[in-house]
Amino acid sequence: KNEVEQSPQNLTAQEGEFITINCSYSVGISALHWLQQHPGGGIVSLFMLSSGKKKHGRLIATINIQEKHSSLHITASHPRDSAVYICAVGGHFGNEKLTFGTGTRLTIIP
Amino acid sequence: ETGVTQTPRHLVMGMTNKKSLKCEQHLGHNAMYWYKQSAKKPLELMFVYSLEERVENNSVPSRFSPECPNSSHLFLHLHTLQPEDSALYLCASSQVWGPDTQYFGPGTRLTVL
Repeated sequence: KNEVEQSPQNLTAQEGEFITINCSYSVGISALHWLQQHPGGGIVSLFMLSSGKKKHGRLIATINIQEKHSSLHITASHPRDSAVYICAVGGHFGNEKLTFGTGTRLTIIP
Repeated sequence: ETGVTQTPRHLVMGMTNKKSLKCEQHLGHNAMYWYKQSAKKPLELMFVYSLEERVENNSVPSRFSPECPNSSHLFLHLHTLQPEDSALYLCASSQVWGPDTQYFGPGTRLTVL
């Protein structure tokens, strides 16, 4: 079983701050996903990556396969970024099902 | 608009009731998923259908019964549930079963009395 750990569990920051959320996993994977869940439950997929770095607007995701670690960065954070950010990994031991972290609750204060 | 819809959005049922959750995707995807999200626990995969065939059953109790009549629709039939089954049930779809982006529905908030 792949263990997925996220840190921090909770993060509160001022508007405009640079945000970093971390994800570590224990065994090899084929892909890592970052998801965003807003109050009310809706989940949006932000990134899927297997190597290197991806950028979309103010969001940047990086992954280090050797260290089994990924980071999600948010630049110029805004209150609308407040949400739970979830890391998920799949493809370990040839099993494509996703294993999810417990999430990081981010609150951006105006 | 995610292209994945779920009904109902909220459901309250007694332990002896039978109900069904419905999911529909308008994205032309070939894989569909049921997830359970309980309070303070990670998302848990329940079932996966790929090309209308079940490819994953993640040790889910038999009181949950999935059905995939076609590639656009997925049902979760519920019977004789327990209060601990109260959770948010999320449906998702992806183009293929495997390392692919999943698109989630808004979820059904289920309360079992």
